Amino acid sequence: DAGVIQSPRHEVTEMGQEVTLRCKPISGHDYLFWYRQTMMRGLELLIYFNNNVPIDDSGMPEDRFSAKMPNASFSTLKIQPSEPRDSAVYFCASSPGRPGYNSPLHFGNGTRLTVT
Amino acid sequence: KNEVEQSPQNLTAQEGEFITINCSYSVGISALHWLQQHPGGGIVSLFMLSSGKKKHGRLIATINIQEKHSSLHITASHPRDSAVYICPPPDSNYQLIWGAGTKLIIKP
Repeated sequence: DAGVIQSPRHEVTEMGQEVTLRCKPISGHDYLFWYRQTMMRGLELLIYFNNNVPIDDSGMPEDRFSAKMPNASFSTLKIQPSEPRDSAVYFCASSPGRPGYNSPLHFGNGTRLTVT
Repeated sequence: KNEVEQSPQNLTAQEGEFITINCSYSVGISALHWLQQHPGGGIVSLFMLSSGKKKHGRLIATINIQEKHSSLHITASHPRDSAVYICPPPDSNYQLIWGAGTKLIIKP
């Protein structure tokens, strides 16, 4: 298996533009997570899905952020409009079960977003 | 609420040294991850363990569920082991609680 695949690896955009980050989880994994990592706040869980259904989006910073999972093999995280404070590395991860219940968590390589 | 304490927070050692990183958490759990993140890099799952000990190459992880404690050991450390090591315990909803981890630097 190729692992969790994220695209793009790097994204540089201007403030106010729409940004879409993409993730393909490992086949057969029922859980998908979106994380954001910054120097100031560390790794933060934004939202997670179970069987394509959003379960907990309490970590989504504000209405400018939205995430979808239209099918088991694809998810997007969208920021509209983007702001400089959104600059971070965004990780997608998947797991065959609840990661805190004996199921390993597999991370993608991340998308480094820079908003100027 | 589960809380995690890792020690040390920062560790600098010479190549070849035996390294131990400790992880203590406040609420009972069934399993624990150990993950590794290289500077500017991705996050890699090293171990998922619920009891006893697991070994992968030069890395050994142990856990004592009753004592709410886990350790990660690195034998014959190498500069490429320089990374941040994280052990996020799960909360009551089995979602992981992320701490700052242990920053390890191995000098040649």
